[in-house]
Amino acid sequence: AQSVAQPEDQVNVAEGNPLTVKCTYSVSGNPYLFWYVQYPNRGLQFLLKYITGDNLVKGSYGFEAEFNKSQTSFHLKKPSALVSDSALYFCAVTEGDDKIIFGKGTRLHILP
Amino acid sequence: ETGVTQTPRHLVMGMTNKKSLKCEQHLGHNAMYWYKQSAKKPLELMFVYNFKEQTENNSVPSRFSPECPNSSHLFLHLHTLQPEDSALYLCASSQSDSLYGYTFGSGTRLTVV
Repeated sequence: AQSVAQPEDQVNVAEGNPLTVKCTYSVSGNPYLFWYVQYPNRGLQFLLKYITGDNLVKGSYGFEAEFNKSQTSFHLKKPSALVSDSALYFCAVTEGDDKIIFGKGTRLHILP
Repeated sequence: ETGVTQTPRHLVMGMTNKKSLKCEQHLGHNAMYWYKQSAKKPLELMFVYNFKEQTENNSVPSRFSPECPNSSHLFLHLHTLQPEDSALYLCASSQSDSLYGYTFGSGTRLTVV
């Protein structure tokens, strides 16, 4: 069965510093991986996805994620954090023919 | 706007009331989902509809009753709820396979008093 783990409940980063939000996954076949962001009292918004091809995926708002098959990871990164990046971030995985499984979420705090 | 519209945005109801949440999408998607998001808890998948047929019910109490009259509309009928049912209820839609991800609505913030 597929699963996804976000090991950190919260990540604190100073504004202007690089940020990383961690995600690892487990699937039996080829994974399709996603990152979503949620602002207060809003739904989840799509950030980026990995289906196939280049392991480095670029998405919205300057975010990117690197697919690492050997480490079964898909960490979300940004070179320089903004206060407005503060939100709840969800990693998700599917094998394509089944529903998407979401991680429990990581709260990102960017400190001014 | 994401293309998935949920109404109302906020709802306060008593434990003896009956109310309904509505979700509408015009993205041409064939699958629709209800999620419950409570404070400090993971997202809980409640129901899945594929081509108007319910394909998943994750042991949701019968006081929550979904309805999917067509591929564009999804309802969640509520009756005799409990205070612990207070949460953000999110609707999402997708193509039949999950390859392209889900599109979420903004949610309905439900408070049961």
